[in-house]
Amino acid sequence: DAGITQSPRHKVTETGTPVTLRCHQTENHRYMYWYRQDPGHGLRLIHYSYGVKDTDKGEVSDGYSVSRSKTEDFLLTLESATSSQTSVYFCAIAGTHQETQYFGPGTRLLVL
Amino acid sequence: DAKTTQPNSMESNEEEPVHLPCNHSTISGTDYIHWYRQLPSQGPEYVIHGLTSNVNNRMASLAIAEDRKSSTLILHRATLRDAAVYYCILHPRDNNNDMRFGAGTRLTVKP
Repeated sequence: DAGITQSPRHKVTETGTPVTLRCHQTENHRYMYWYRQDPGHGLRLIHYSYGVKDTDKGEVSDGYSVSRSKTEDFLLTLESATSSQTSVYFCAIAGTHQETQYFGPGTRLLVL
Repeated sequence: DAKTTQPNSMESNEEEPVHLPCNHSTISGTDYIHWYRQLPSQGPEYVIHGLTSNVNNRMASLAIAEDRKSSTLILHRATLRDAAVYYCILHPRDNNNDMRFGAGTRLTVKP
């Protein structure tokens, strides 16, 4: 299994509070991704990174920001959480050729 | 929007082969066909991928139609641990960050 962890695994927060999710990899892979998964929508890409300090938006990036200051860490921040951001968040990594993405175990976020 | 069409659900008996179909009529010449699966309460897991030729690995086989407008994931002997949602995804070679997951096929394996 690819060395990829997510923290926290579960979080409950209130509307309007900031939230940061962390993805950590030990594979030295170049590419990192954040997805959200909601019933009826499958997985949707939020943001991705193609290197340290190199990030770009995905399909559903509004309300989210990311940062990657080190190869191994990719942070997803909800500046002011809303109930519509209640979801399961998955991080994924991929090597240079990006043929395969390896996914983390997910973070279940509930925004009240 | 996902560019593939899969049945919502399928059932199989344990130790029998399973053929999971996927239609992708708008596939372009540079799109790879990827299959992932997601077990309950876990992240998606890579299964197999191909471009034009049929592919085999330890988990499954991928049969790609000659016109590439459809493909079939083959599990040769289903086990209870194969019960999962299976996603067929087109992965553009020229836009490696555009991998769209659809709803997938929920496979139930009966003992």
